[in-house]
Parts: sequence; structure tokens; C-alpha cells
Amino acid sequence: GAVVSQHPSWVICKSGTSVKIECRSLDFQATTMFWYRQFPKQSLMLMATSNEGSKATYEQGVEKDKFLINHASLTLSTLTVTSAHPEDSSFYICSARDLQLPYNEQFFGPGTRLTVL
Amino acid sequence: GQNIDQPTEMTATEGAIVQINCTYQTSGFNGLFWYQQHAGEAPTFLSYNVLDGLEEKGRFSSFLSRSKGYSYLLLKELQMKDSASYLCAVSQANQAGTALIFGKGTTLSVSS
Repeated sequence: GAVVSQHPSWVICKSGTSVKIECRSLDFQATTMFWYRQFPKQSLMLMATSNEGSKATYEQGVEKDKFLINHASLTLSTLTVTSAHPEDSSFYICSARDLQLPYNEQFFGPGTRLTVL
Repeated sequence: GQNIDQPTEMTATEGAIVQINCTYQTSGFNGLFWYQQHAGEAPTFLSYNVLDGLEEKGRFSSFLSRSKGYSYLLLKELQMKDSASYLCAVSQANQAGTALIFGKGTTLSVSS
């Protein structure tokens, strides 16, 4: 089956620093990847849609200058949280869509837990 | 706008059957997914419906009525390991292509 990995699994950083999270599709090519954020006991909130080779499309209320997304290849997308603050502490999950499938199933990475001190 | 509603919590006992309902209002509907998510883990795919009717897969079944904006996930022969959050997600067209919009999830607790 389609496998998506994320790195790191968890990260603790100081306020004001930047953190980069990688999302990789391991056994398929993903022209589209998605980034979600999930706060405790809440559902996944779509942050942005990332199409390979083009700029990401951000959802309303998500600051594009704070959450930098790069999707330079068909198997890798990165999310950089710039100048992180404690309120950015959350569970960040990426997903990727395999265009070989007949429907729009997304495969999720294992998530990255970010804690900003 | 878009709105996806599902109950916040449900409880059931081992061996029982539970139905988790989901209602939605959205534009550009491209199908409805159900995912299972254990605490601290990523969601895992359970089912997909794009046409009206029932899709059965082992102990899990999912139903969709597009005209009513309604779906349910049916879990049979419940096991303790089924304790998890169940997420209803609607696939809809957006300016970037298509995206999944998630409901807030239903936390199911299965007791012995």
C-alpha cells in the first residue's frame, strides 16, 4: 500500500526559531500533498494544498509567510514553521494523493508533534 | 460554506453494533470518506462512498445518501481495539483541485 513518512516525529523548539517538517511519499508519486494541523481533541484542519512545482494554496486564516510550504519533487513536500510561538504547538499531519487510484483517497503520514516553549 | 456534523462521543460494549452518523453541507461534492484515528496517530482509511448506497467491508460498512447530505459508518462485532476517533471527511473541489474537509470526529469508547 501507499506509504507516507514524516520527519521528525516530534520536535521541541524555543519560541522564535523555525522548524522544518518533511513529508515523503515512499512508494508512489504524489503530485498533490496536503498539510493539516490538529489541536488536542479536535479534528484535522486543512492548512494548505501543495501541488508539485507550483505555489501552495493556503486555506483562509493560514498565514503563508509563517507556514512556508515547498513541494519541489513528486515525493517530497516540506512545511517550515517560521518564528514559532507557543500557540503553534500542535500535531501537524501531511497527506498525499496517489493519482493512480480511481478516487481521491489521501494517505496520511504519521504526524509531527511540535512543542514550542 | 461547508459544515460537517457528527456526534462528539459514543460508547458501546464489546460485540455490539454501533452506527456513527455524519451530516454535511458542502459544495462541489466528490465523495465521502471515513477514517479511524487512534490518539497521537495519523488517520487510517476505512471507507469511501461517492454513490448512494451501502459499501460493506468486513466488520465495517458505510452508507451515503447524497440527496440528504447524510452518511453513516456501521461497526459490527465491536472489539476493544475499535476504541478510537472516527472522522467523517468530505472530498470537495477547491481552487487547488480537490481537498478533504473533516468533521470534528466521533470518539468511540468500547468497554468489556
